Amino acid sequence: AQKVTQAQTEISVVEKEDVTLDCVYETRDTTYYLFWYKQPPSGELVFLIRRNSFDEQNEISGRYSWNFQKSTSSFNFTITASQVVDSAVYFCALIGGSNYQLIWGAGTKLIIKP
Amino acid sequence: ETGVTQTPRHLVMGMTNKKSLKCEQHLGHNAMYWYKQSAKKPLELMFVYNFKEQTENNSVPSRFSPECPNSSHLFLHLHTLQPEDSALYLCASSQGVSGSQAETQYFGPGTRLLVL
Repeated sequence: AQKVTQAQTEISVVEKEDVTLDCVYETRDTTYYLFWYKQPPSGELVFLIRRNSFDEQNEISGRYSWNFQKSTSSFNFTITASQVVDSAVYFCALIGGSNYQLIWGAGTKLIIKP
Repeated sequence: ETGVTQTPRHLVMGMTNKKSLKCEQHLGHNAMYWYKQSAKKPLELMFVYNFKEQTENNSVPSRFSPECPNSSHLFLHLHTLQPEDSALYLCASSQGVSGSQAETQYFGPGTRLLVL
């Protein structure tokens, strides 16, 4: 069975703090893909990153960085120097094997206070 | 032009009404999806279309009827809905539906539906 767990339901930090959102996944597939999406209050799910299971290099994009560790089945997301505009619900998702259906985590609501 | 658009953005309807949600993608994709997002529940995949053919129907009640006239447009026809159908309905598209490589799905802004 495939599963994505985002144990942090809600995180609240003050602007400019760094924050890490955790994502732990389960799959028996050797080939799989991991995703992060951002959902601001407007509702649209914004694609942030996609990672395949054979690429364990960490990714950095501006203030965003992702740490993929197969040994712990985790794909964590860090925002450096957070800003109020980062406030949103963040979802981690998985596609495994030949299945094209996204398996979604429950989401983490991130609140950045000014 | 925004990649995936949805209209209307908000909809209030009675249980006896008939309405339709519209989705249009400007990304040249071949696959389109309908999702339902209810409060405190994970996203639920409802329907998948690939090259205008329905490839997935996740046990969705018949009061929801999808239509995909071409690869750029997707509709969700609604009739005799129930209050528990109130949710955010999201449309997404991807390059294709591939078994060998997962395709990134791009989402529209959603339609917030309230059924009274």
